[in-house]
Amino acid sequence: NAGVTQTPKFQVLKTGQSMTLQCAQDMNHNSMYWYRQDPGMGLRLIYYSASEGTTDKGEVPNGYNVSRLNKREFSLRLESAAPSQTSVYFCASSSILRETQYFGPGTRLLVL
Amino acid sequence: AQTVTQSQPEMSVQEAETVTLSCTYDTSESDYYLFWYKQPPSRQMILVIRQEAYKQQNATENRFSVNFQKAAKSFSLKISDSQLGDAAMYFCAYRRTMTGNQFYFGTGTSLTVIP
Repeated sequence: NAGVTQTPKFQVLKTGQSMTLQCAQDMNHNSMYWYRQDPGMGLRLIYYSASEGTTDKGEVPNGYNVSRLNKREFSLRLESAAPSQTSVYFCASSSILRETQYFGPGTRLLVL
Repeated sequence: AQTVTQSQPEMSVQEAETVTLSCTYDTSESDYYLFWYKQPPSRQMILVIRQEAYKQQNATENRFSVNFQKAAKSFSLKISDSQLGDAAMYFCAYRRTMTGNQFYFGTGTSLTVIP
C-alpha cells in the first residue's frame, strides 16, 4: 500500500517547455487534488477532481491543465512553463466519508 | 470565501515542554472539518489531528490536542512533551462538509524544538 505517489521528484524546465506531473493513489479514494506550495503562501489549490470524470478549478488554475485518467490517476500539465511556476507541487487524495486528505511526497519544479 | 489564518510564522519550544500553535478561520458554515498537518523537512504532509465542528469535545491524539472554540472560530494545536521529531512546519486546514471538496490551508507555522 504505497498511498499517494508522485513522479518526478524533481524537474528543471526552460521557459516555454511543457511537462506533465503524474500522481497515483491506491486507496480507492474518490477525490484528488493538486496544490502548489510557495514560501510564505502556504498551500494553494490548483485543480481538484471530486470523482472520476470530473475536474474543477481551484484558487490558482491559470497555466495548468489536469486529467483524471481513471480513479487512481490524476495528472497536472504545464503547457508552456513560466518562471512563476517554480514551486513545490503536491498531489493529494481523500475519501468523502473520511474527510481527510493524504498527500504525496511532492515534486520540486524549477523553471529557468 | 473561507480563509484560514496562522498568525505565528515561527515558534520555538524546549524539548519536553508544551507549545501551542494558533489558528483562526472565517466561515459562514455551521458544519465543517478542521485539521492540523505536519510537514517535516522531507516535505511530505502528514495528518496530525482532525476535528469535526459538530463535536464539542476537543480531539486528542497522544501528545497532540486541540482547543476548538467554535464561536470564536479558533482552532489551536497543543503539543505536550515536545520531542525533537516534532520540529516541522505545521499547517491548519479547513474543509466544508458540503459539495466542493476544497480544503483551505493557512500559511503555516515553523516549529523549532530546542534540545
